[in-house]
Amino acid sequence: QKEVEQNSGPLSVPEGAIASLNCTYSDRGSQSFFWYRQYSGKSPELIMFIYSNGDKEDGRFTAQLNKASQYVSLLIRDSQPSDSATYLCAVSVNNAGNMLTFGGGTRLMVKP
Amino acid sequence: DTGVSQNPRHKITKRGQNVTFRCDPISEHNRLYWYRQTLGQGPEFLTYFQNEAQLEKSRLLSDRFSAERPKGSFSTLEIQRTEQGDSAMYLCASREMNTEAFFGQGTRLTVV
Repeated sequence: QKEVEQNSGPLSVPEGAIASLNCTYSDRGSQSFFWYRQYSGKSPELIMFIYSNGDKEDGRFTAQLNKASQYVSLLIRDSQPSDSATYLCAVSVNNAGNMLTFGGGTRLMVKP
Repeated sequence: DTGVSQNPRHKITKRGQNVTFRCDPISEHNRLYWYRQTLGQGPEFLTYFQNEAQLEKSRLLSDRFSAERPKGSFSTLEIQRTEQGDSAMYLCASREMNTEAFFGQGTRLTVV
C-alpha cells in the first residue's frame, strides 16, 4: 500500500464547476499537508498547505483535512481551463527532515 | 530571480556516462532536498541536507548516486555510470524550518 494515495484520473469537469480532489495517507504521524499543482513538463508549484483539522480557504481553493479519517481534499471553485494540470498531494511528518511524501497525482481537465 | 535554480534544465547522456546536476536554493533556506520524478508518478525523496550536513538518504539512492552541499549553499547531485532507468526529472527543493518547500524547475535527464 502506498503511503499517500490519489486517484490518477483524469477528472474532467466543465468550466465554472467545482473540482474535488481527494487524498488519503497511511502514516498517522503526518502533521503537515500540501497541495501542489504541476503543469506538464514543469516542476510542482505549491498552492495550499494545511496543518489543522477543518477547512482552509484561499481564493478559489479550499483545503480540507480530517486527521481521524486520514483524508485531505482540495476543492477548486469556478474551475477554469487554466486549472487543467496534475494536482499532487504531499504529507510530511514533523521529524528533523520534514521531507515530503507525495501521492501519484490526479490529472484535472477543465473543459471550456 | 530569488527562487530555487537548477542547472542544466535538460541533459541527454549515453548509458555509462557520469552526469552532475546543480541546485542553488533560496538563499536563506538551510534545508535542501533532492527528489526524482518519473512520468506519471509523484516525486520521490532521494536525500536531504541541513546546511552542509547530509542527514538522510533514501534507499532509492544507490551507490552510483552521490550528493554534496559544500558550505551549505548550492548542492550537486552526481550519477555515475548512468543507466536507462535513471531517466527522470530530478527536482531540488529548499525550505526554512517549519515552512513550505519550494521547488526548482528541475533537470530532465534522458539516458540513451
